[in-house]
Amino acid sequence: QSALTQPASVSGSPGQSITISCTGTSSDVGGGHNFVSWYQQHPGKAPKFIMYDVYIRPSGVSSRFSGSKSGNTASLTISGLQAEDEADYHCSSYTDSGGTYVFGGGTKVSVL
Amino acid sequence: QVQLVESGGGVVQPGRSLRLSCAASGLTFTDYAMHWVRQAPGSGLEWVAVISYDGRIKTYADSVKGRFTISRDNSKNTLFLHMDSLRPDDTAVFHCAGSRDSAWHNFEYWGQGTLVTVSS
Repeated sequence: QSALTQPASVSGSPGQSITISCTGTSSDVGGGHNFVSWYQQHPGKAPKFIMYDVYIRPSGVSSRFSGSKSGNTASLTISGLQAEDEADYHCSSYTDSGGTYVFGGGTKVSVL
Repeated sequence: QVQLVESGGGVVQPGRSLRLSCAASGLTFTDYAMHWVRQAPGSGLEWVAVISYDGRIKTYADSVKGRFTISRDNSKNTLFLHMDSLRPDDTAVFHCAGSRDSAWHNFEYWGQGTLVTVSS
């Protein structure tokens, strides 16, 4: 159950787009399912559910967030970057290993 | 408004035990599978365990299997995590999270967490 690989940090200017990658293996992200989700976490706060099944946004989540997957790598794109997007972002995937789950190491997004 | 509130954290010596609780409100508790997810200082999230809506199915991460036990009391809308043989590398903020029973892989609701520090 090794953690999924995310870049430690990504930054961008207001209005720009950034993409966060989440790389796993054929036993998790690249498995025969789309059970990849993303979470936003501001400092000292609980994580917030912002994307599921690779590219579906829960109700109330801004359309500036979008998701995709290719092979063993999932991605989260934030368009029109805003100051409020500055937070940590975590990906998660179901794994083929006995119905368990794995998270990424988290990515700190900074708005310059 | 859904609220998950964890409690029971604290400082404990290596080898000792601790029980965490998570009180749920604002949702139909029996519609949700419940997870524990932890976050060591300065690290990412780590999935710990999940329990089905009725408590019959429990799955654990390899790192805690045999030491931690997840349980729930649906009459009190409360989730538990009993932790035995605690080690320094168990030090973390422990969050509870709820997933609709049809989609255990989506951690829809989260609590703020309770800090567990394992140190002599």
